[in-house]
Amino acid sequence: SYELTQPPSVSVSPGQTARITCSGDALPKKYPYWYQQKSGQAPVLVIYEDSKRPSGIPERFSGSSSGTMATLTISGAQVEDEADYYCYSTDSSGNLRVFGGGTKLTVL
Amino acid sequence: EVQLVESGGGLVKPGGSLRLSCAASGFTFSSYSMNWVRQAPGKGLEWVSSISSSSSYIYYADSVKGRFTISRDNAKNSLYLQMNSLRAEDTAVYYCARDDLSPMSGDYYFDYWGQGTLVTVSS
Repeated sequence: SYELTQPPSVSVSPGQTARITCSGDALPKKYPYWYQQKSGQAPVLVIYEDSKRPSGIPERFSGSSSGTMATLTISGAQVEDEADYYCYSTDSSGNLRVFGGGTKLTVL
Repeated sequence: EVQLVESGGGLVKPGGSLRLSCAASGFTFSSYSMNWVRQAPGKGLEWVSSISSSSSYIYYADSVKGRFTISRDNAKNSLYLQMNSLRAEDTAVYYCARDDLSPMSGDYYFDYWGQGTLVTVSS
């Protein structure tokens, strides 16, 4: 089965740049997407099609990818950005959906 | 405004059954494929199942194949998940999520989510 691998945790101070990585064999052919989930809430899409931001998502959120690695970058992380972040993609057929294991971002 | 409201969660014994519902509003339900995604307590997100707009295409995660059945009623703007032979490891918050289609890649991703309904499997 297809897997996406993320680091369990990332920690930065307020104002620093946070980078969360996601690796997967199909990423060179499949766009990565990123979801933010704050405690007790439903996930929210923050990056789609590798690097695009939905309406309402702050400009400090950006995405990029190279080969089998995708990266979510939060430039000037704020305390309110503390959350779990999940990368998402599909397998090579496009029919099966896969989430990474999630990365807990701590900003303090 | 897009709204997805799940219901039907609760406590069930191992081996039991439960049917979840998701009421959709604020968009043309019959035009979108839909999904169930779950999250076990303290764990990550796990995609469970997808159904196309006309129910022609249905997919399941290996962990639920043969036990869960996804369905929809476009006349009632509703999505369902029939869960049979439930196990302790099925304990989770179950989210209903709408699909959007990437015009760049042709892949689907989740653009709107409900708030979830908790299913607890325990004796």
